[in-house]
Amino acid sequence: AQSVTQPDIHITVSEGASLELRCNYSYGATPYLFWYVQSPGQGLQLLLKYFSGDTLVQGIKGFEAEFKRSQSSFNLRKPSVHWSDAAEYFCAALPRSSGDKLTFGTGTRLAVRP
Amino acid sequence: DTAVSQTPKYLVTQMGNDKSIKCEQNLGHDTMYWYKQDSKKFLKIMFSYNNKELIINETVPNRFSPKSPDKAHLNLHINSLELGDSAVYFCASSPNTGQGTQYFGPGTRLTVL
Repeated sequence: AQSVTQPDIHITVSEGASLELRCNYSYGATPYLFWYVQSPGQGLQLLLKYFSGDTLVQGIKGFEAEFKRSQSSFNLRKPSVHWSDAAEYFCAALPRSSGDKLTFGTGTRLAVRP
Repeated sequence: DTAVSQTPKYLVTQMGNDKSIKCEQNLGHDTMYWYKQDSKKFLKIMFSYNNKELIINETVPNRFSPKSPDKAHLNLHINSLELGDSAVYFCASSPNTGQGTQYFGPGTRLTVL
């Protein structure tokens, strides 16, 4: 079955430290891949997406993600975390061939230590 | 200018009532969606409409009925509300079916007492 896995439910980092959030997908063919962020009480904001081409994708708010086909991964990174980055992060995948069933991972809650 | 908007933001109601949530997008997109986020933050698609036509209906109880009066609006009507319907409901839109990026509204938190 098609699925998206975010192994880390909760991560705490210190402000200024680097961050990596993991995402793995299980699909027959490489799907479109996305990272969304949900701040407390807010909607989902698109951080970045991978469709094809360069495997290192730049997004908003200083985030980037790297697509690794061999590992079926699409990990999100940020070199220096700010307190305002505390939020829930969702990885999502969309099959290229079958319409609009965007499948989300279970999310990773990021806490930032002052 | 809000791209995808939803009303109301919060909705508190009694079991058995009927309620509606409205969604509007001003992005000129052809496809709109409803997602449900449960108490564990898990997000799952419920419906999608493309240019007012139902495309996806994900085994949602028939108490839930989406209605799309035009391609900029997708409303969600829920009959006979149950405790388990308590969740955050998100509307989203994308340029067209299978065109990738979906843009989400701010969500409607529904609480059924």
